[in-house]
Amino acid sequence: KAGVTQTPRYLIKTRGQQVTLSCSPISGHRSVSWYQQTPGQGLQFLFEYFSETQRNKGNFPGRFSGRQFSNSRSEMNVSTLELGDSALYLCASGPGKADTQYFGPGTRLTVL
Amino acid sequence: AQTVTQSQPEMSVQEAETVTLSCTYDTSESDYYLFWYKQPPSRQMILVIRQEAYKQQNATENRFSVNFQKAAKSFSLKISDSQLGDAAMYFCAYSSNTGNQFYFGTGTSLTVIP
Repeated sequence: KAGVTQTPRYLIKTRGQQVTLSCSPISGHRSVSWYQQTPGQGLQFLFEYFSETQRNKGNFPGRFSGRQFSNSRSEMNVSTLELGDSALYLCASGPGKADTQYFGPGTRLTVL
Repeated sequence: AQTVTQSQPEMSVQEAETVTLSCTYDTSESDYYLFWYKQPPSRQMILVIRQEAYKQQNATENRFSVNFQKAAKSFSLKISDSQLGDAAMYFCAYSSNTGNQFYFGTGTSLTVIP
């Protein structure tokens, strides 16, 4: 099976812009989670979607949003970008409600 | 909220030797999952090993094994016969059995010395 794919792999944006990141899970996986990784804060959970419903949400401002489509693909949107949003954004997929998560290669977002 | 602590920011091991990475966690739940993930310089997170809390038997995957002490809330990873390709950042992670929200430790950077 193909692994989790994320597009784009690299992004450069300026403050105030918005960005959309995409994640395609492993075929058959219904759960998609998003994480932000920074040197200062480490790995932090953003949100999880299961069968198109947001099931869990981390402690991030409302500028961070997401959605999941009927084919389980997921998108994450960040509006009004801030310098502190520069990070590696990781997507992970899993087969069930509580199970092993398999990670994609990440999207490196740089905000200037 | 659950917390995961990795107290060793950096570790090193000679090639072919054995190394143990430590992880402790805090939870009030009785059923949960624990994981070790490896993140090499490519930044791709790779699953190393998984442990279900209700299983008393320690998980093993080839050269990787864990020492799961539920009462002590400890979950260490042992790497035997270390190889150069084992060099990476290792993250311990906790997940409850009600969802896929992972809590990660701060990571341990493992160097393998030839």
